[in-house]
Amino acid sequence: EVQLVQSGGEVKKPGESLKISCKGSGYSFNGYWSAWVRQTPGKGLEWMGIIFPEDSRITYHPSFQGQVTISVDKSITTTYLQLTSLKASDTAIYYCARLGAVGGKEALDYWGQGTLVTVSS
Amino acid sequence: EIVLTQYPGTLSLSPGERATLSCRASQSINGNYLAWHQQKPGQPPRLLIFGASNRATGIPDRFSGSGSGTDFILTISRLEPEDFAVYYCQQFYNSPPGFSFGQGTKLEIK
Repeated sequence: EVQLVQSGGEVKKPGESLKISCKGSGYSFNGYWSAWVRQTPGKGLEWMGIIFPEDSRITYHPSFQGQVTISVDKSITTTYLQLTSLKASDTAIYYCARLGAVGGKEALDYWGQGTLVTVSS
Repeated sequence: EIVLTQYPGTLSLSPGERATLSCRASQSINGNYLAWHQQKPGQPPRLLIFGASNRATGIPDRFSGSGSGTDFILTISRLEPEDFAVYYCQQFYNSPPGFSFGQGTKLEIK
């Protein structure tokens, strides 16, 4: 069974940093792109970036380039999303999701449970 | 970046009725990369449809997708109580890889 299990919710102060994890299991982790998606009430779902664990290729959405860092540890089948210099506007639910493909048709087919990040002084 | 616009923003229907949700792209897209997700409160999104018209594993056949080019539709043939949720269309693009999402359609009980 494919599972993506994320780390727990966090409460942070403005200016602090945070690293969220997403552990994949039940599939060939290295061979699937893994995406990070932010969800806020005002802006809905926003794609932040995507990583290919096999060779650590990363693409960031231009809006998040330089603002976040995505990484992977293949030995423990886990991807990470690092946020720095947190602002109140970073308060959101952060999801990881797997990019699956069937017959050349690709979509985010499995999602983590989400990590709620609250930034407040 | 291709923008996906969903309409209506909110759809009020009763159980047993037929729901038609639309997703329009700002330019023509490859239907192989158009998906629909369902999200219920407090839960992550769940993949319903991929490749514009293919149901994901375990999705009931009352859900169907259609469309091509710039216009795509998600149809729920006969609404069940558990279908009331928010629905998002999502597009994947290559070179470099990335995504865009529609703003969502909230399907609520009338």
